[in-house]
Amino acid sequence: QSVVTQPPSASGTPGRRVTISCSGSSSNIGRNTVNWYQQLPGTAPKLLIYSNNERPSGVPDRFSGSKSGTSASLAISGLQSEDEADYYCETWDDSLNGWVFGGGTKLTVL
Amino acid sequence: QVQLVESGGGVVQPGRSLRLSCAASGFTFRSYGMHWVRQAPGKGLEWVAVISNDGSNTHYADSVKGRFTISRDTSRNTLSLQMNSLRTADTAVYYCAKDGGWSGYDFKDVWGRGTTVTVSS
Repeated sequence: QSVVTQPPSASGTPGRRVTISCSGSSSNIGRNTVNWYQQLPGTAPKLLIYSNNERPSGVPDRFSGSKSGTSASLAISGLQSEDEADYYCETWDDSLNGWVFGGGTKLTVL
Repeated sequence: QVQLVESGGGVVQPGRSLRLSCAASGFTFRSYGMHWVRQAPGKGLEWVAVISNDGSNTHYADSVKGRFTISRDTSRNTLSLQMNSLRTADTAVYYCAKDGGWSGYDFKDVWGRGTTVTVSS
């Protein structure tokens, strides 16, 4: 049971917008930045969003991140079939003195 | 190009030891923090350990504290994970990941393909 919570699944149709939430507490998201990773089936994770809302070079601007208080969100607009993957949020936890991942959200493109 | 290649995985009995390695190339290894992250079969990601760029600062997940040791050899551009007293719960794919900064407190911007560790009698 992770200290950072994500919905286990999400879905959307091509072209639509979907959001994935990440809920934490004052010891983690409330004090530290959030990163997001995409893991396509059978592959290693890939950095998608860092420092709450920054996109690494090469990540399409269809992907965006935000943070408010002890929660964060990943939004994917113009959903495409290749976006079908597992998505993980991550942050530092001051109480645990370590990194924590959310449990992951499996995104299905209908 | 920037690359991380893990090795050392395998099948090991509970209570035994295993040492994982990660060969880094394409970037200035001594300038960045490094991580180990694992993923049990069918499960999510679990952070394992981090080491700062100069090796002076390390942190571990509670689940491995006292059993695992992260280290780095700057002369060989290699990250290591010494795993002792292995348990069946340690069965996972182990990923090596580069931090975006020197301390290990930023984000993981480069990942290896992983090496599989199976702990079973």
